[in-house]
Amino acid sequence: ETGVTQTPRHLVMGMTNKKSLKCEQHLGHNAMYWYKQSAKKPLELMFVYSLEERVENNSVPSRFSPECPNSSHLFLHLHTLQPEDSALYLCASSQDTTGGTDTQYFGPGTRLTVL
Amino acid sequence: AQSVAQPEDQVNVAEGNPLTVKCTYSVSGNPYLFWYVQYPNRGLQFLLKYITGDNLVKGSYGFEAEFNKSQTSFHLKKPSALVSDSALYFCAVRDIGGYQKVTFGTGTKLQVIP
Repeated sequence: ETGVTQTPRHLVMGMTNKKSLKCEQHLGHNAMYWYKQSAKKPLELMFVYSLEERVENNSVPSRFSPECPNSSHLFLHLHTLQPEDSALYLCASSQDTTGGTDTQYFGPGTRLTVL
Repeated sequence: AQSVAQPEDQVNVAEGNPLTVKCTYSVSGNPYLFWYVQYPNRGLQFLLKYITGDNLVKGSYGFEAEFNKSQTSFHLKKPSALVSDSALYFCAVRDIGGYQKVTFGTGTKLQVIP
């Protein structure tokens, strides 16, 4: 176990549904990340939160909405998704320090299927 | 800008033989370099990292990686492969002086044949 948990592990949703992915880290880290992993594509960084503030958003469509209520929890709210959004969504955390290595620890992922 | 390349989509090796998974990087300054492994239906697991100092870095499960500044490479190695090493391996880089977070490679699938 890496100390990062994600729920649910699997999710099937229609294009009109609204759902949320949850991530929790038990490592005392101050930065959290959402990644999208699609088959045969590089790992895509979606959002980064450091000290509960969003510091990076790599041009992700607005149908994905992150929320970081505290340093241990991260959510990804989903609405009106498209079939091409089907992927493995990975959460990670790290201890973010100036000039630090940012070694990231990943959760097991949520396998999302959009019908 | 920073980038990392893994030139091989898949590497096949016989059990007991040495293995190498290749990685090259590009940064404007000095790099932090990482290797992660992903087993089926799991998240990425940290294997090892290079920060500074000795060019040969030892990590989990008997893996090691060699930092070569002149060739801008950070190849992952293991002297004797196990079937259980079969997984997807990701190289990653972060420019020490940069503002970007870590950039991951596209991954290399390692298949160890019994």
